[in-house]
Amino acid sequence: AQTVTQSQPEMSVQEAETVTLSCTYDTSESNYYLFWYKQPPSRQMILVIRQEAYKQQNATENRFSVNFQKAAKSFSLKISDSQLGDTAMYFCAFRNTGNQFYFGTGTSLTVIP
Amino acid sequence: DAGVTQSPTHLIKTRGQHVTLRCSPISGHKSVSWYQQVLGQGPQFIFQYYEKEERGRGNFPDRFSARQFPNYSSELNVNALLLGDSALYLCASSEGPKDTEAFFGQGTRLTVV
Repeated sequence: AQTVTQSQPEMSVQEAETVTLSCTYDTSESNYYLFWYKQPPSRQMILVIRQEAYKQQNATENRFSVNFQKAAKSFSLKISDSQLGDTAMYFCAFRNTGNQFYFGTGTSLTVIP
Repeated sequence: DAGVTQSPTHLIKTRGQHVTLRCSPISGHKSVSWYQQVLGQGPQFIFQYYEKEERGRGNFPDRFSARQFPNYSSELNVNALLLGDSALYLCASSEGPKDTEAFFGQGTRLTVV
């Protein structure tokens, strides 16, 4: 079975600063994908960034980047130059080859003006 | 292009009743998955359907059932509702059952009283 753990229920960051959200996972599979999703109050799950497990290079999408440590089963999200619109719940997710997602419990991020 | 659409957006049911939730995938997508997101938790996998066949089932009781229609839309049915079934129910669609991008709808908020 796959499990995803997010140990930070809440975090805050000053606008324009950098924040890192932590995630660890456990799986016996060798081929999988990892994701960070953002869920604002509108409830829509918005894809932030994706990482294929077979790729050693860390994924980057504009202000968002990940630190993927496969051996340690760690997948943290770094948000640079935080903006007020980044305020939301952030979920780390594991997806197996069968397209089934396993989510962590989420981190509530507040960007302070 | 329309995204994943779910209906209704909100509904309130009484314990013991039955509920049907609906999901229309993105045009061209043949796989639909259902997730339950209890308040304060991450989404949990319920079902996956592809080409009208069940491809995966999460750890949910038999009160939960689903089906997929020839036009690839899907229904999630829950019988004998319990208070604990109160949650946001998310639908995700993808082109196929494996290794393809998944897109989430905005969910149906079910409240059981």
